Amino acid sequence: EAGVTQFPSHSVIEKGQTVTLRCDPISGHDNLYWYRRVMGKEIKFLLHFVKESKQDESGMPNNRFLAERTGGTYSTLKVQPAELEDSGVYFCASSHPGLQETQYFGPGTRLLVL
Amino acid sequence: AQSVTQLDSHVSVSEGTPVLLRCNYSSSYSPSLFWYVQHPNKGLQLLLKYTSAATLVKGINGFEAEFKKSETSFHLTKPSAHMSDAAEYFCVVRALFPDRDDKIIFGKGTRLHILP
Repeated sequence: EAGVTQFPSHSVIEKGQTVTLRCDPISGHDNLYWYRRVMGKEIKFLLHFVKESKQDESGMPNNRFLAERTGGTYSTLKVQPAELEDSGVYFCASSHPGLQETQYFGPGTRLLVL
Repeated sequence: AQSVTQLDSHVSVSEGTPVLLRCNYSSSYSPSLFWYVQHPNKGLQLLLKYTSAATLVKGINGFEAEFKKSETSFHLTKPSAHMSDAAEYFCVVRALFPDRDDKIIFGKGTRLHILP
């Protein structure tokens, strides 16, 4: 069974540019989560999809971040326009239906905004 | 509210000696607790989890953790460290809110260094 995959693995962009991160969850996992780790800080929750619906987006930092999961399969997280403080590692995780199911994480996308 | 504190940002042990990574939590509700490990350029991998069953939880690669409610701790241990254990370890608390989506809270991570 393939794990959670994320693309790209690394991205370096300039302030003001747009970047789109992609996450492919494990097949059959209705739950999809985005997390972020800013350098030197803990990993923090961004949002949670159940299928194509946003269940909880309370962790999204501001309206420069837009997450989508059309069709309930893969998800994208767009940052537009990117700011310096958006640099960090963005993790995606997925789990089976149900609130207490174990989350399986992808390798993360390392984003550097210059 | 939930919180989790990993007491050490870095731990160094010699190969073959015991490992202890400390974690304390705070939770308003009965928590689920997890330990994840991240090797360089890899995703977070689940080591073990506690979900209100046995308080001593055995995980992969010889790791185990004991849930101690009186001490609000969930320390991770391994009897004998191996070079391949060098990685970053995250303690995670999760609580099911009665009327909201559950939240997962990460500790800041502990980097484990194995000395030859």
